[in-house]
Amino acid sequence: KAGVTQTPRYLIKTRGQQVTLSCSPISGHRSVSWYQQTPGQGLQFLFEYFSETQRNKGNFPGRFSGRQFSNSRSEMNVSTLELGDSALYLCASSRSHPSASGANVLTFGAGSRLTVL
Amino acid sequence: AQSVTQPDIHITVSEGASLELRCNYSYGATPYLFWYVQSPGQGLQLLLKYFSGDTLVQGIKGFEAEFKRSQSSFNLRKPSVHWSDAAEYFCAVGTTGGGNKLTFGTGTQLKVEL
Repeated sequence: KAGVTQTPRYLIKTRGQQVTLSCSPISGHRSVSWYQQTPGQGLQFLFEYFSETQRNKGNFPGRFSGRQFSNSRSEMNVSTLELGDSALYLCASSRSHPSASGANVLTFGAGSRLTVL
Repeated sequence: AQSVTQPDIHITVSEGASLELRCNYSYGATPYLFWYVQSPGQGLQLLLKYFSGDTLVQGIKGFEAEFKRSQSSFNLRKPSVHWSDAAEYFCAVGTTGGGNKLTFGTGTQLKVEL
């Protein structure tokens, strides 16, 4: 059974550019969440999607956006990149609907490491 | 708002020694608690979780954790550490109605000496 797949694994961008990261959840999982991991701020929740709808959003500027497709695959986009956006971006999928509780088990992908120069 | 504290940034243990990683949480209601492990260049792997019931939970790779409500703690333990356990360990809390939003601690880096 394939796990959560994130592409690309590594990428380098320059300030001001934009980037799109992709996440394919485990087959049958309809919920996708995104997290940012940096040495300074640790792991921070970005947003989550279920059935193509954003269900929850973290405290990030509007430059960070995402979407989910009908096949549950998700993309996140960061526009006007800043140096501080350099991070490991982790995607996680879950079978459960996110609204019921926080007791959903998340399966994480290996992440996309973004470096902004 | 909920929070998680992992007071130990780095821990070094000898192979075969016992291990305890500390985690304290702050949340007004019953929390959903998780321990994840991250190896270099990898994502997070779930070790174990506590939702309700027995306060001592067993996980993968020989790990266990005990939920102590009175101490707001969820410490991770392993009786005998293996060199392959060297990694970073994260404690996290989920909340009722919080969906898939987890609040993570800052992590504990475990080094295993041979």
